[in-house]
This record gives sequence, structure tokens and C-alpha cells, in this order.
Amino acid sequence: ETGVTQTPRHLVMGMTNKKSLKCEQHLGHNAMYWYKQSAKKPLELMFVYSLEERVENNSVPSRFSPECPNSSHLFLHLHTLQPEDSALYLCASSQGGGVGNSPLHFGNGTRLTVT
Amino acid sequence: AQSVSQHNHHVILSEAASLELGCNYSYGGTVNLFWYVQYPGQHLQLLLKYFSGDPLVKGIKGFEAEFIKSKFSFNLRKPSVQWSDTAEYFCAVYTGGFKTIFGAGTRLFVKA
Repeated sequence: ETGVTQTPRHLVMGMTNKKSLKCEQHLGHNAMYWYKQSAKKPLELMFVYSLEERVENNSVPSRFSPECPNSSHLFLHLHTLQPEDSALYLCASSQGGGVGNSPLHFGNGTRLTVT
Repeated sequence: AQSVSQHNHHVILSEAASLELGCNYSYGGTVNLFWYVQYPGQHLQLLLKYFSGDPLVKGIKGFEAEFIKSKFSFNLRKPSVQWSDTAEYFCAVYTGGFKTIFGAGTRLFVKA
């Protein structure tokens, strides 16, 4: 049990579809993150929300749209994706910035395949 | 640019062999360093962390890591690996704000 739950575990979508990834954390943390994990590449930080405000947006294409309605839930809305967007999308949470005694806690990820 | 470099993408060892995974980072500020592990089918989880004090830190399952400031390194070690250590290992550095930068990972396979 990770304390961070992501759904769905797997998603296959066409380039013209619209879908959403969901993340929920049960740890009482105040920050939530989206990372992209591609094979043989470093994890890429996409977005960070702290107290429901976006605090990081690392030059991510607009076809990825995050939403954080409250401190426990985080969404990633997807539309008109490209095949190179196929990857494992990881959600994480932390208390504060992920330093000190509260490092990042990750979910199991959503394996996204764009066809 | 800030980055984390892990020296090997894949490592294969026999049980009881010693392990050392290399990690170098490029960041000039005060470092907070981490090793995370991802076992097959499981989520990324913290293995150990360094913030200050003794540069040799102990983690779970017999792992340890040594921070060498002059070399910008934070190598992970284990004297004797087990089959259950088969996993992917990620080195990471916290660079301030809400940014933790990860390396590309090292896949370790331990032969029984």
C-alpha cells in the first residue's frame, strides 16, 4: 500500500482521444507532483501543486493539462497526444517540497500508450 | 544545468556479490540526496537519504551510500546482494523549492 493511488493502471488511447489520469493521496500531504518516466531517461518533473496552487510547470506541452481540485486529488487531462508521449506517468506527494523528513511518496503509475 | 548521472543502465550480479552503483550530480547548492528503489511491479520507494552530518548513510535492507562532496558523488553500496534486490535504482537530488531531479535509473538483476 503506497498511500498514493493512481488510476487507471494502463491506458491506451488514440491521438485524437481525450482522457484523464487520476491520483489520490491518503497521507495528508500538501504537495502533489506529476512525473513522466520514459525508458533509459531521467524522470521528468512535469507539474507540481502546493496547497492546490501550481508552483512548477516545466515547459510541458499544452496537450497535458493538470488539475488539482483539493490537496488530496490530482488529475492530468490528456488530449491530442503524440506517440512519443507514451510513457509511465507517476504521481507523487510530499509534505512541503520533498526535502527533510518528508521525501516524495509515489504511486504505482499509469502506463500510457498512444497509438 | 542541474542533472544527475547514473553510470550504468544495467548491472547483473550473482547472489552474495558486492554492489556499488555510481551517481554523480551537478548542483552547486546545499544538497539533499536520495536513492529510491522500484521493485518489479511496485511503486518507487525511498531507500535512503542524506541531508547533513555523517557522509555515510545507512538505509533499509543493508544498503548504504557515501556522499563525497569533492567528487559530487553519492554512490550506493551493499556488501552482499540477494535475489530479492533485483530492482531499478534511482539517484536523486533536491535542488530547492519543489524540485527533485532524478537520474535515468540502474536496473539491477541478481542471479540466484
